Amino acid sequence: SQQGEEDPQALSIQEGENATMNCSYKTSINNLQWYRQNSGRGLVHLILIRSNEREKHSGRLRVTLDTSKKSSSLLITASRAADTASYFCATAPGNQFYFGTGTSLTVIP
Amino acid sequence: GAGVSQSPSNKVTEKGKDVELRCDPISGHTALYWYRQRLGQGLEFLIYFQGNSAPDKSGLPSDRFSAERTGESVSTLTIQRTQQEDSAVYLCASSPVSGTGGAYGYTFGSGTRLTVV
Repeated sequence: SQQGEEDPQALSIQEGENATMNCSYKTSINNLQWYRQNSGRGLVHLILIRSNEREKHSGRLRVTLDTSKKSSSLLITASRAADTASYFCATAPGNQFYFGTGTSLTVIP
Repeated sequence: GAGVSQSPSNKVTEKGKDVELRCDPISGHTALYWYRQRLGQGLEFLIYFQGNSAPDKSGLPSDRFSAERTGESVSTLTIQRTQQEDSAVYLCASSPVSGTGGAYGYTFGSGTRLTVV
């Protein structure tokens, strides 16, 4: 069974707007990561947040983690057309990551 | 190598045939993972290898699926007597160390798109 679920399943925004995606998971975790996938092939690691962290930034990305609610959010600021992709959260209750179903983001130029 | 390499990138096979997919991880990465992704779906964990330890096969969907890895190098995923439901992209990933609560990000290959006709 999958650990994480992203919400919304699909998101369409205008270039320059911010995009927010949410992830909920089921069990206690050690770490949570966000990945991007273009064109249904390999995933690219974006950011890792540890269970004792609440917020992390990387460039235009901001990730929050609320372990009491078992949820995380990914914010992409000032979106670009090149951000169009599917975004997955991945949780590691043990030694390997389990991935959610993804949010498909479309940024309209 | 510089990245995780998977071959072939695409494979079309007839139902009932066996297929072998190959993954060449980043040199020095002790952990290697296989995932399956059906069209429009999330990633489904299949199996992971950590060094010379016994692999975690808990995600393999049936006994038609098997995987091997020699030491910390190449891994092969074999699907016997393929079925149409096996059609998917098979993704391989590696990371420097496992057994650390997922403390390291994965580097993914570009995947093998398997189509069973």
